[in-house]
Amino acid sequence: NAGVMQNPRHLVRRRGQEARLRCSPMKGHSHVYWYRQLPEEGLKFMVYLQKENIIDESGMPKERFSAEFPKEGPSILRIQQVVRGDSAAYFCASSIQGENTEAFFGQGTRLTVV
Amino acid sequence: QKEVEQNSGPLSVPEGAIASLNCTYSDRGSQSFFWYRQYSGKSPELIMSIYSNGDKEDGRFTAQLNKASQYVSLLIRDSQPSDSATYLCAVNGRSNYQLIWGAGTKLIIKP
Repeated sequence: NAGVMQNPRHLVRRRGQEARLRCSPMKGHSHVYWYRQLPEEGLKFMVYLQKENIIDESGMPKERFSAEFPKEGPSILRIQQVVRGDSAAYFCASSIQGENTEAFFGQGTRLTVV
Repeated sequence: QKEVEQNSGPLSVPEGAIASLNCTYSDRGSQSFFWYRQYSGKSPELIMSIYSNGDKEDGRFTAQLNKASQYVSLLIRDSQPSDSATYLCAVNGRSNYQLIWGAGTKLIIKP
């Protein structure tokens, strides 16, 4: 049973470009969470999605950031017109249910904006 | 006041001793509590979950929950150098699906 798969593992973008981060949840999991982590800092919640629905995007910046989890295919976190401050590790986690259940993390995507 | 607080450390423990990690939280309505381990440059890995007051043991790990005092702790017995990592405490927030994370405690096990 494959775990949560994220790709790419490392992504380098120039300022102003777009970054697309992909996350395939564990088999049987329909709840996906995206987190951002800066070096030496804790995890910051960004967005929670179920299939075809955004449940909570309160942690995601209003501009330039968007997320989706289509009926078919992986969840996508999209960052438009990236800036240096977007450089971070972006982790995806999935769970079977949304409430009070254990979430399992992917290996993360390390985004570097140059 | 931060919603979930942990001592950032580093906490240095000799090999073979018991490592004790603590976490306090502010939301009395929280029901789910998790401990994750994160090695440098890696993703968080779930170690323990606990939902009711008392102790929960899994191998060398014991999670302790005291809802009245709003703290949760993780004990690691017979500490090994491979236990050296940052330990993250996570608590479900006002929306049950959203986990609120502590900043983590860095644990160093000295051979």
